[in-house]
Amino acid sequence: DIVMTQSPDSLAVSLGERATINCKSSQSLSYSSNNKNDLAWYQQKPGQPPKLLIYWASTRESGVPDRFGGGGSGTDFTLTISSLQAEDVAVYYCQQYHSTPITFGQGTRLEIK
Amino acid sequence: EVQLVQSGAVVTKPGESLRISCKGSGYTSTGHWIAWVRQMPGKGLEWMGSIYLGDSDTRYSQSFQGQVIISADKYISTAYLQWSSLMASDTALYYCARHLRPGRPEAIFDYWGQGTQVTVSS
Repeated sequence: DIVMTQSPDSLAVSLGERATINCKSSQSLSYSSNNKNDLAWYQQKPGQPPKLLIYWASTRESGVPDRFGGGGSGTDFTLTISSLQAEDVAVYYCQQYHSTPITFGQGTRLEIK
Repeated sequence: EVQLVQSGAVVTKPGESLRISCKGSGYTSTGHWIAWVRQMPGKGLEWMGSIYLGDSDTRYSQSFQGQVIISADKYISTAYLQWSSLMASDTALYYCARHLRPGRPEAIFDYWGQGTQVTVSS
C-alpha cells in the first residue's frame, strides 16, 4: 500500500498570510508517459463531507478559489493557500489514486492564529 | 445539479445486518464509478471500495474485502454498502463519492454524499 504522510498535523496561520501543507507518498505518484501525478487534495469543514480542491497535483477543481494552489511531483507535494481567509478553517487531506488501495493522508488541521 | 443522497442515520446492535444506500441524480449515473469512504469518530478518511454503476464492476480495499459488500442498481442510479453481521467497530460515518471522469476508475472524488452515520451498540 502507498502510505501518505502529511505535515504538519496542525497549523495556525494569521488571516491574509500564506499557509502551506506538505504531503509525502511512500512511492512515486507520477507517470513518465504523461507527466501527471495521481494526487488530490480535499478540504473538510466540521459536519460536512470532504470537498475536492485539487487533482493531478495541480489542477484546481471548478469553482475553487485561485488562492488554493497545488504543486510537487513524484513523492513530494504541497497545498498552498496564498492568503488565508476565515472560511478556510478546516482539515485538509491529500489522497493518492495511483494504485489501489486508494489512500489518504492523516489530515492537517488549519486554524486561524 | 449533481447530487448524491444517502440514506439516513442508523442505530443498531452487534450481529445485525444492514444496507445503506446512495442515490445519484443530475448526471448519467451509469457512466460513473461510485466509492464508499469510511470516517471513524474523530479520524481520517478510508477508501473501502468502488463500483461502476454501468456493469457493477467492483473493486475493494483489502482491508474491507470480505467485511462488506458493495452493490448497485443502475436502473435506480443507486449504490449500496451492506454488512451481514455488524460489530461495534463498524461505528462510523460512511460517505459515498463520485469518481470524476465518466467511465474512468481514477479515484478523484468530485461529488460526495452527505454521509450516513452508523452506530452499532448493544
